[in-house]
Amino acid sequence: SQQGEEDPQALSIQEGENATMNCSYKTSINNLQWYRQNSGRGLVHLILIRSNEREKHSGRLRVTLDTSKKSSSLLITASRAADTASYFCATDAGGGSNYKLTFGKGTLLTVNP
Amino acid sequence: EAQVTQNPRYLITVTGKKLTVTCSQNMNHEYMSWYRQDPGLGLRQIYYSMNVEVTDKGDVPEGYKVSRKEKRNFPLILESPSPNQTSLYFCASSLLRGVGGYTFGSGTRLTVV
Repeated sequence: SQQGEEDPQALSIQEGENATMNCSYKTSINNLQWYRQNSGRGLVHLILIRSNEREKHSGRLRVTLDTSKKSSSLLITASRAADTASYFCATDAGGGSNYKLTFGKGTLLTVNP
Repeated sequence: EAQVTQNPRYLITVTGKKLTVTCSQNMNHEYMSWYRQDPGLGLRQIYYSMNVEVTDKGDVPEGYKVSRKEKRNFPLILESPSPNQTSLYFCASSLLRGVGGYTFGSGTRLTVV
């Protein structure tokens, strides 16, 4: 079952602009993660934010988490053509020791040179 | 280099012919998982494993088997493949829950005719 839903489904911007992608989920989570996927290739882990954290930074990435609204956002600042990819949020909502991620369907980001 | 290795990268097979997709990680990770990715459906978990000899079903386990006899290996077995198992498959591994994300393999594109 889909836990995370990304919004928008597709986003096209110019190089140098900021890109914001949103993720909504349905149940309580342990943590939320963002991944990037270049066309047809493996996913690359970008950042993990725990349920007791509100904001996290990594280089040009900024992630926020609002557990009261069950939503998260990923901001990529000063985007580059190389940022063109699909971006997925994934939630870890399992109880006990099960480390199971449930992925959304992704946002396709196109950064035009 | 720390990585998850899947083989083969591409596979075309016929209905009913048993096949195995291998997955190996060299990072001493506890957790391993198999996902399939389909257009419009996103990534869905097939099976996962928390440790050697500990496996459990994900969201779409029908038609698949796995084993975890050694920590590094987590093969995916299709006993009798059918056309609806045509998909892009990813193996992933993770060391600790809630600390880092999953490391993904490069994917196996399977076509069943």
